[in-house]
Amino acid sequence: NAGVTQTPKFQVLKTGQSMTLQCAQDMNHEYMSWYRQDPGMGLRLIHYSVGAGITDQGEVPNGYNVSRSTTEDFPLRLLSAAPSQTSVYFCASRFGAGNEQYFGPGTRLTVT
Amino acid sequence: SQQGEEDPQALSIQEGENATMNCSYKTSINNLQWYRQNSGRGLVHLILIRSNEREKHSGRLRVTLDTSKKSSSLLITASRAADTASYFCATDSPYAYGQNFVFGPGTRLSVLP
Repeated sequence: NAGVTQTPKFQVLKTGQSMTLQCAQDMNHEYMSWYRQDPGMGLRLIHYSVGAGITDQGEVPNGYNVSRSTTEDFPLRLLSAAPSQTSVYFCASRFGAGNEQYFGPGTRLTVT
Repeated sequence: SQQGEEDPQALSIQEGENATMNCSYKTSINNLQWYRQNSGRGLVHLILIRSNEREKHSGRLRVTLDTSKKSSSLLITASRAADTASYFCATDSPYAYGQNFVFGPGTRLSVLP
């Protein structure tokens, strides 16, 4: 199993550009989540999904969209990048509520 | 505001010593988990303790949970240089978004050879 994979590893965007961060898992997990990690802030939940076709907002959803058309994939879209979105983004999946999460390696995004 | 807060923010010890990190949280929880993050990498799950458990062991790791004090501790015994990482507690609160985890800011552990 590859586990949770994320692409790209690094990305530099200009303010106003849009892009999609890819996340895929091959463990047949229903739950998937996107987090951002900023220095001294821990991880903050952006959006999450409890199954294909079901998504919801987390703590910091503004400026991001998600969709979940398959169990395996959970892409995160930045609509119009802003410098405040400079961060490291992690995708995670788990079998169900109350289970351990498996994290991807992260995408380091810089917005200039 | 953050549900979980680790203490201390940073810890530096010599190889072979024990390292203790604490986590305090604010609301009731279903379970509490500890994760490790090596520099520049994703988080790796270490141990899960449920709200009806008081102590769990996994290799050199020992986790305790005191729900009356809303706190947990992670003990790493006989530390090694490879234990150098950031450690996060995460609480699976029934009040969190979709029962997702809420992470604290982490403890940076440095184990000196």
